Amino acid sequence: DADVTQTPRNRITKTGKRIMLECSQTKGHDRMYWYRQDPGLGLRLIYYSFDVKDINKGEISDGYSVSRQAQAKFSLSLESAIPNQTALYFCATSDFRDSQETQYFGPGTRLLVL
Amino acid sequence: AQRVTQPEKLLSVFKGAPVELKCNYSYSGSPELFWYVQYSRQRLQLLLRHISRESIKGFTADLNKGETSFHLKKPFAQEEDSAMYYCALIDGTSYGKLTFGQGTILTVHP
Repeated sequence: DADVTQTPRNRITKTGKRIMLECSQTKGHDRMYWYRQDPGLGLRLIYYSFDVKDINKGEISDGYSVSRQAQAKFSLSLESAIPNQTALYFCATSDFRDSQETQYFGPGTRLLVL
Repeated sequence: AQRVTQPEKLLSVFKGAPVELKCNYSYSGSPELFWYVQYSRQRLQLLLRHISRESIKGFTADLNKGETSFHLKKPFAQEEDSAMYYCALIDGTSYGKLTFGQGTILTVHP
């Protein structure tokens, strides 16, 4: 779904560097999420935001921070990257209509930390 | 805390054979359960949810509260069903937070 975009799509960085992954959406959703995907572990929630003033830690927030700059933008930062943060990162948005929740995912950012 | 378990990392079947992807969950309340699918070079997307009781692309999934399972089934697999499948759960108290299983890679051989 092209309404959720992530930049960059691929990134190689070195241990100790600070990097930012960006997510933008044009779906008008209030809720946004960051997940990481690792083989054999599935997707795990890093942070989520239910509106611009709301930021919450997920299952694995250590080593990460986020910023919700606007309804449409939700950025994930690695303050000091380490090799075990090498993963595929997904942003998602969701709406909650008729008591049903559906999440829409971005294409993913593949991060390699050397 | 809720947990979703998909016991099979890999599942291979031949075209036309029945397929069942297993999903078990642990949660004390009344969860909402989903199957998400990721086809090659495509985004993760919702396949179906248990509330809707619908069949999507020939797949169905029934919530069995007694066995705490939500297995995904299709009577006749097609090659285009090859993908990564994730079972996921939302609990009633933290609406919006999905807990995913580990995923199952389904390969349908011609």
